Amino acid sequence: EIVLTQSPATLSLSPGERATLSCRASQSVSSYLAWYQQKPGQAPRLLIFDAALRAPGIPARFSGRGYGTDFTLTISSLEPEDFAVYYCQQRATWPLTFGQGTRLEIK
Amino acid sequence: QITLKESGPTLVKPTQTLTLTCSFSGFSLSTSGVSVGWIRQPPGKALEWLALIYWNDDKRYSPSQNDRLTITKDTSKNEVVLTMTNMDPVDTASYFCAHMGTAPGPRSNYFDPWGQGIVVTVSS
Repeated sequence: EIVLTQSPATLSLSPGERATLSCRASQSVSSYLAWYQQKPGQAPRLLIFDAALRAPGIPARFSGRGYGTDFTLTISSLEPEDFAVYYCQQRATWPLTFGQGTRLEIK
Repeated sequence: QITLKESGPTLVKPTQTLTLTCSFSGFSLSTSGVSVGWIRQPPGKALEWLALIYWNDDKRYSPSQNDRLTITKDTSKNEVVLTMTNMDPVDTASYFCAHMGTAPGPRSNYFDPWGQGIVVTVSS
């Protein structure tokens, strides 16, 4: 099973700042990685797939990059609605696995 | 527009079997490449993938839960059913179903969209 380790566990930033979230895989997942955003009481929402492609309707301030075992999600300038929990997920091999999440909170 | 909604009991007793239904619209589970998965999330914890069923009835299960899970589909009703046996308090979680496979290109390989989820509590 591929283990995804996200860091940091919690990130405290202010609106307008840049956020960089990390996801590291225990073995290569090629580019088969997604990022989801989850707000309290809501289902996750797909943001980024195949490491770097934005899902429809996702603002351009969200970007992803990486290949193999190291991936990042960057939010270029935080908006108030971006404060949430973010999960990475790999589809390279079974079983599908998620990271433990990064909580992005308002400083 | 694709929508999914989970239904089932919100309270089950230990050792009982949980049966959850995912009712969906906006796509057909008889279309090549389409699948529906189940994912759960204990309170305050991370997401955990449980099972996936494909249009051709191929099924995948989480090895950590494999012997407890059964996923089936009823294409005529647009439903996917997940059963989990021998429920325990540690199985208390929000259970989500999610769609995969209708979008063009590589987005079809990821969960999008998700249902709103159902909170299941396991307690005597």
